[in-house]
Amino acid sequence: LAKTTQPISMDSYEGQEVNITCSHNNIATNDYITWYQQFPSQGPRFIIQGYKTKVTNEVASLFIPADRKSSTLSLPRVSLSDTAVYYCLVGDRGRGNTGKLIFGQGTTLQVKP
Amino acid sequence: SQTIHQWPATLVQPVGSPLSLECTVEGTSNPNLYWYRQAAGRGLQLLFYSVGIGQISSEVPQNLSASRPQDRQFILSSKKLLLSDSGFYLCAWSQRQVRGPQHFGDGTRLSIL
Repeated sequence: LAKTTQPISMDSYEGQEVNITCSHNNIATNDYITWYQQFPSQGPRFIIQGYKTKVTNEVASLFIPADRKSSTLSLPRVSLSDTAVYYCLVGDRGRGNTGKLIFGQGTTLQVKP
Repeated sequence: SQTIHQWPATLVQPVGSPLSLECTVEGTSNPNLYWYRQAAGRGLQLLFYSVGIGQISSEVPQNLSASRPQDRQFILSSKKLLLSDSGFYLCAWSQRQVRGPQHFGDGTRLSIL
């Protein structure tokens, strides 16, 4: 399973756009990139998932360059409630149907007023 | 829609006592099921996963065991708890046939005294 590297922490202010980049140099052909958000004492919540180029949903965008060795989660106009830990994961959703994922330490995003 | 339930939310147990944490999923069939543990300030560590009734795979040697007596029920157990078993335990599910993300429960905070 590919290892991911992301910043330990980031600070931002309300209303700003936040971009969190994750490196995954050893990503395999069948691997997908998934981002989760976790608040204290809660389970991680799925944010977005992608394979290549750009994916957008109602809460975030995910940018993946052609070589797929990194990805960037973009949160538009963050609010105080976006303060959380964000995890980038890379895994093969199909191999053996096990769906095993490896969580790193994540990026702690602090949004200030 | 699918939902996942974990209980209890918090648990305080003495060293050497047994443990049983239960997780159930509603609204889906034949899910992949997972148990994770999260130490304070750390990422999630996969403990067990199951692709079907009675099928359990262990990821790390430990004092814990898992069972899946029914399709949508996953149980985490221990015969004798250790201090090192303290942590935040999370259950998750994912669809087996369709490539999709894992969805987490709200977790159980386990404290060993």
